[in-house]
Amino acid sequence: KQEVTQIPAALSVPEGENLVLNCSFTDSAIYNLQWFRQDPGKGLTSLLLIQSSQREQTSGRLNASLDKSSGRSTLYIAASQPGDSATYLCAVRPVESNQFYFGTGTSLTVIP
Amino acid sequence: EAGVAQSPRYKIIEKRQSVAFWCNPISGHATLYWYQQILGQGPKLLIQFQNNGVVDDSQLPKDRFSAERLKGVDSTLKIQPAKLEDSAVYLCASSPPRGSRKLFFGSGTQLSVL
Repeated sequence: KQEVTQIPAALSVPEGENLVLNCSFTDSAIYNLQWFRQDPGKGLTSLLLIQSSQREQTSGRLNASLDKSSGRSTLYIAASQPGDSATYLCAVRPVESNQFYFGTGTSLTVIP
Repeated sequence: EAGVAQSPRYKIIEKRQSVAFWCNPISGHATLYWYQQILGQGPKLLIQFQNNGVVDDSQLPKDRFSAERLKGVDSTLKIQPAKLEDSAVYLCASSPPRGSRKLFFGSGTQLSVL
């Protein structure tokens, strides 16, 4: 069974800093990996989706990379802003399954 | 394109009462998921539908939880009777049958059981 781990569990940075969030998974046979943002008590908003054949995806100040062989993905946030404060989760979809396995998330606080 | 619709947004009930959540997925999305997310944890899959059939309900507490997806479109998740530990955000998500297979979430229902 796929296990997904996110480190750190919480992160606090001053506004303007660049930061990296980590996601690791145990089985490299994945179909895709998706990064989400979640505000307190709300649903998940998709940020970036990386297919297994891709190495990275970019959207604005966000860049996600994927290294299947090592079972890792990183989410890079450039020039962080207070509005980026939220919990960031990654989810992995295995090749043989229609299910998604989630990490427990990284809670990000950007201090003005 | 309309997103995944969920209602209600919030619900407060007392233990042993019943509650129901409704979800309407994105049009054309054959796969529908219900997740439970307890504070500080990642979403946990309760049940997965493919059209109107159940694909996986291995983590659904069937003595109190039930779900249906009539006609393969919208879905209802019910809890009867509720327990204190059912307090969580209940998330509905859907995924298209082909292409990116991206997962789309609704806004969730925040349930408090007192």
